[in-house]
Amino acid sequence: DGGITQSPKYLFRKEGQNVTLSCEQNLNHDAMYWYRQDPGQGLRLIYYSQIVNDFQKGDIAEGYSVSREKKESFPLTVTSAQKNPTAFYLCASSPKGTVSGPNQPQHFGDGTRLSIL
Amino acid sequence: GQQVMQIPQYQHVQEGEDFTTYCNSSTTLSNIQWYKQRPGGHPVFLIQLVKSGEVKKQKRLTFQFGEAKKNSSLHITATQTTDVGTYFCAGFLIQAGTALIFGKGTTLSVSS
Repeated sequence: DGGITQSPKYLFRKEGQNVTLSCEQNLNHDAMYWYRQDPGQGLRLIYYSQIVNDFQKGDIAEGYSVSREKKESFPLTVTSAQKNPTAFYLCASSPKGTVSGPNQPQHFGDGTRLSIL
Repeated sequence: GQQVMQIPQYQHVQEGEDFTTYCNSSTTLSNIQWYKQRPGGHPVFLIQLVKSGEVKKQKRLTFQFGEAKKNSSLHITATQTTDVGTYFCAGFLIQAGTALIFGKGTTLSVSS
């Protein structure tokens, strides 16, 4: 069954600790995305990647880092520099759209809820 | 930065009433997508609109894209309890390296 798998479902972070959220997809999609969702704030883009070994900052990249070493994987690290990390994190993927043409629908994982201990 | 505004933020209706959520952008959009997120779930793609003035229907849901491609709406006729959730619009700007910009969503609650 094709899809996006995020793990863990729940994660707790201690002060000064870096934590990594996993996102794996077997849809053969080129593009992958990380969003942060806070109540009443909608989805805010953290980072996105349209191709392996390349990624771009979104609107709220500070305090986060990503890597894209494989097409299937796009892990997100929440660093200690992110002072307010408590949120619901969603990973998504899509087939690569074109700059001048329509975007492709995004498929989302089930999310990871991160809290501070 | 670029924004996609969505109103209202919350809407409560009685089952059987209609519901509409509106999405507006200050910039012309290449296309717009709509997603639904059930409580405790993740966003699920509903539809994409590309052409100016486009109207698409999915059973009781009607989606419209404005003539100027700066606004869009989702209308649900005769709501049901299964329509409960948050509806997001997401616009794509014709710029290199730009990803989808999501509105903040409209949360719909329905009482029977």
